[in-house]
Amino acid sequence: DAKTTQPNSMESNEEEPVHLPCNHSTISGTDYIHWYRQLPSQGPEYVIHGLTSNVNNRMASLAIAEDRKSSTLILHRATLRDAAVYYCILRSTLNAGGTSYGKLTFGQGTILTVHP
Amino acid sequence: DAGVIQSPRHEVTEMGQEVTLRCKPISGHNSLFWYRQTMMRGLELLIYFNNNVPIDDSGMPEDRFSAKMPNASFSTLKIQPSEPRDSAVYFCASSLGALNEQFFGPGTRLTVL
Repeated sequence: DAKTTQPNSMESNEEEPVHLPCNHSTISGTDYIHWYRQLPSQGPEYVIHGLTSNVNNRMASLAIAEDRKSSTLILHRATLRDAAVYYCILRSTLNAGGTSYGKLTFGQGTILTVHP
Repeated sequence: DAGVIQSPRHEVTEMGQEVTLRCKPISGHNSLFWYRQTMMRGLELLIYFNNNVPIDDSGMPEDRFSAKMPNASFSTLKIQPSEPRDSAVYFCASSLGALNEQFFGPGTRLTVL
């Protein structure tokens, strides 16, 4: 499985934008870039994903480098509820049992602290 | 929508005992995943079911672990016999289609004494 590299931790102030970087230099052409986050004492939660183009949804934006070797998750206005561990994941497509499925391989993630 | 439901939320047992964790996926989802999270190893995929059939169990640590999905709305992960190193948070996730976003349950925190 291709690996991702993220900073161990980042800090932000409430109401400010946050840019969470991720390096994935060994990404293959079929790997999707997924971001999940895990709030304290909860299960991971899907944030956003993309393949080549930048993506926006109600939670965040995902900026993908042209060579796809890095990406950035952008939270436009951080709130205290955004404090979580953010995982950048390369979703590989595996074939098993005659079906294809997307395997998520979680790394250590980035611990985001948001200050009031 | 109730989301993925897991039970129990917490389980404390003694070494050698059988432990059964339960999961109810989101209605209509045909893919189900069991994960384990520890401080040392992070989140690891244990097994993946598609349409109630186990497709990839390469992440199951050893024969003491087994998982079943008797129908589309219920799955179990069993550990027999349990050992202290099995202590972890176990998550169940489901998705509509094997390539789509996964929805995780709240997890079961297992402590084996």
